[in-house]
Order: sequence, then structure tokens, then C-alpha cells
Amino acid sequence: EDKVVQSPLSLVVHEGDTVTLNCSYEVTNFRSLLWYKQEKKAPTFLFMLTSSGIEKKSGRLSSILDKKELFSILNITATQTGDSAIYLCAVAALSGSARQLTFGSGTQLTVLP
Amino acid sequence: DGGITQSPKYLFRKEGQNVTLSCEQNLNHDAMYWYRQDPGQGLRLIYYSQIVNDFQKGDIAEGYSVSREKKESFPLTVTSAQKNPTAFYLCASDDPRDSKATDTQYFGPGTRLTVL
Repeated sequence: EDKVVQSPLSLVVHEGDTVTLNCSYEVTNFRSLLWYKQEKKAPTFLFMLTSSGIEKKSGRLSSILDKKELFSILNITATQTGDSAIYLCAVAALSGSARQLTFGSGTQLTVLP
Repeated sequence: DGGITQSPKYLFRKEGQNVTLSCEQNLNHDAMYWYRQDPGQGLRLIYYSQIVNDFQKGDIAEGYSVSREKKESFPLTVTSAQKNPTAFYLCASDDPRDSKATDTQYFGPGTRLTVL
């Protein structure tokens, strides 16, 4: 059974802090790893990672994948209160001819002013 | 605007009643998905459909049913057999045939179902 584990489950920081969110996985037929941000409703896409060691960056957010050790990290530098959200990690894998996502339980990030 | 719509946003149901959640997309995507999210948990797959008139059970299909009569629509019925239906329900779609597309799925705004 495919499995995605995120840590920590929750995190409280102050504005300006840097945070690192972790995602480890065990899946068959791995295609890619995705990060989403969820603020009370639909998850919004952040990154898709397919190759080891190549950092994806968007503003203060960055992410990297290690396919040998089966994990990814999401970094957020100079956090702002608007970064408060649940961050979801998902792994895309082939199941027969279907492409399916398996989600982790998420990390609830709270950024205090 | 292209996107996915879900209705209603909030739904209240008495125990023992069936209820149907709507999901419509105009992205011309072949595949559609239903997920359930409980507090402190990630998304769990209920059902998915890769093409019209075909659908498959996900990890937690018991107590749910779906239909896919049109490409744009993938309604989910929560039946009285679902023992703990109070949750946040998310619909998503993608186009697995598009080799240039990312693996990301596009999500609707969700329906929060509460059983009284």
C-alpha cells in the first residue's frame, strides 16, 4: 500500500522565521511528488518534483526531492502570517493505467505576528 | 472562466438520509476524483473516473456511490450506509492523456457535510 508521511503535524512560528516541512514516501511506480497549500478550502498547487537534487523555487518557497532516500522538504524563508495554512505533500503513481495521488496528513503551519 | 465548481458549499443532513454532492468542470478533463478530508488528516480517495460511463473505487468507497454520465459532471452520493459522513469533500480533475501536463490535479472549492 502506498504511503506518504509528513512531519511535523503542526508547527507554530513567528514572522520572519524559516521553516522546513518534511515528506517521506513509500510508493510503487513513482511518477512525481507534489506540494500543495490549503487555506480552509481547495488545495492550491505549489510544486511538482520529479528529479532528485533539483531545487524548485518560487519566491520564499523552495523544495527539493531525494529519490534515493524517498523524501522531500519544503522550505519557507522569512515567513509571513499569510503563509499560515495546511501544507500537503502528495505522491503521484501509476495504478494500472490510472495516475493517482496519495496524500500525506499535512502539516498545519501557524505564523504568529 | 475554466474551473471546477462544487455545490453546495455547506450541507446538513439528518442521520439515515442519502445526500448528493455536485461536481462540475469545464476544463475538458477526462479524469475526475472525489476525496474526503477529516480534521488533521490528508485527502483520502473515495472514487475516481477516467472516462465517461466508467468509475473505480478508491481507498474508502464504502457507503458512497458515483455516476459519470457526462464528461463535465461527477456527482457523489453519500448514502446512509456511510457510518461517519461528516467531513470536507473535495472534487478534482485532470487530463492524464496530456503528456505535457503536470501530475497536479485541479480542485474544486469543496463541500462541508455535517450529519446532525
